Amino acid sequence: GENVEQHPSTLSVQEGDSAVIKCTYSDSASNYFPWYKQELGKRPQLIIDIRSNVGEKKDQRIAVTLNKTAKHFSLHITETQPEDSAVYFCAASIRPGGYQKVTFGIGTKLQVIP
Amino acid sequence: NAGVTQTPKFQVLKTGQSMTLQCAQDMNHNSMYWYRQDPGMGLRLIYYSASEGTTDKGEVPNGYNVSRLNKREFSLRLESAAPSQTSVYFCASRTPTTNEKLFFGSGTQLSVL
Repeated sequence: GENVEQHPSTLSVQEGDSAVIKCTYSDSASNYFPWYKQELGKRPQLIIDIRSNVGEKKDQRIAVTLNKTAKHFSLHITETQPEDSAVYFCAASIRPGGYQKVTFGIGTKLQVIP
Repeated sequence: NAGVTQTPKFQVLKTGQSMTLQCAQDMNHNSMYWYRQDPGMGLRLIYYSASEGTTDKGEVPNGYNVSRLNKREFSLRLESAAPSQTSVYFCASRTPTTNEKLFFGSGTQLSVL
């Protein structure tokens, strides 16, 4: 089955700096790559996603890049703010037989230091 | 529109006890999921239901059973709880459109002593 590796597991940055989280996946059939943000004690929520036919996607301060050949994708957060502090999960999704199966990475705890 | 509702929010069990975690969504989603979240292990799929009347095993199904009662409700049952099942459990549902976003419930923190 699909295996998603995510690193680093923890990341501390100064407010205003950029943060990068990287993920690799194993199944070349995966075609959808979402990123979820989980604040302390809260539920995971989708912040951005990318499909396999797109190389990059941006939404204000966050962007995701995908390299299908290397089977890796990354989350970039620019001008970090304290409210960006959370655990971020990458995921890879494959649709076998019409059903979407989502495999998550282990998560990255991002701390933005004011 | 409440989204995905999970109950209870917290539960403490003794080893061997049974319980059912309830999940309901009001967004007319076909697919529903149960995940467990453990430190350093991310979100792991326990069971899923692609549509009403169907269920299937995920990554870590041992010790659990599920019921897709109707399109709205998907319950997770622990028949004989074990300390290894201490975890945070999340129910989720997915949009039926090409936007494959998962909507999560607020989670159940379960401790098995």
